Amino acid sequence: EADIYQTPRYLVIGTGKKITLECSQTMGHDKMYWYQQDPGMELHLIHYSYGVNSTEKGDLSSESTVSRIRTEHFPLTLESARPSHTSQYLCASSEFGRSSYNEQFFGPGTRLTVL
Amino acid sequence: RKEVEQDPGPFNVPEGATVAFNCTYSNSASQSFFWYRQDCRKEPKLLMSVYSSGNEDGRFTAQLNRASQYISLLIRDSKLSDSATYLCVVNEGGDKLIFGTGTRLQVFP
Repeated sequence: EADIYQTPRYLVIGTGKKITLECSQTMGHDKMYWYQQDPGMELHLIHYSYGVNSTEKGDLSSESTVSRIRTEHFPLTLESARPSHTSQYLCASSEFGRSSYNEQFFGPGTRLTVL
Repeated sequence: RKEVEQDPGPFNVPEGATVAFNCTYSNSASQSFFWYRQDCRKEPKLLMSVYSSGNEDGRFTAQLNRASQYISLLIRDSKLSDSATYLCVVNEGGDKLIFGTGTRLQVFP
């Protein structure tokens, strides 16, 4: 089992609230990722990080922001949640290495509903 | 055109059947390839990587055809526990994975 954790698992909030989705891993992985997945649809990369103080935007435009102050922690923040942000958010991590075959390990996800 | 395309299914097969899934990708410079498994409302988990020479892991066999930009997954002797969505995943470089929408498999008794 992968040692990557996400909290909360489920979140229902009202429009305009600021929220932070937590992601932590205990595997010492340098690389971490945030994906967004709607029901029945593919995962889309919204943010990634190669290590402490490194953050990059992914392929899917997102109004969320991320930070990487510690290796094990990669939180995602929405300053003002809207119904269009309703989705599942999955965090993942992988080792840093030259191989392009490094496995990405996923957390259990956070299901966000914005009313 | 999507970067990674899969038949969404569902594939409904009896226990013991052999089933094959196909996937095509659009970026000829893609570097590595994977099949992930995702159970309903769960996170994806790596099933197997797909190497140029083809590879096998128990009842699962993966094939890659770079010339046709085509990946396949064969499952032999299907079990009820194989019921899940199978995601075709392509690494286009820099560890940025591109996911297909998945093919849903339902194995019935």
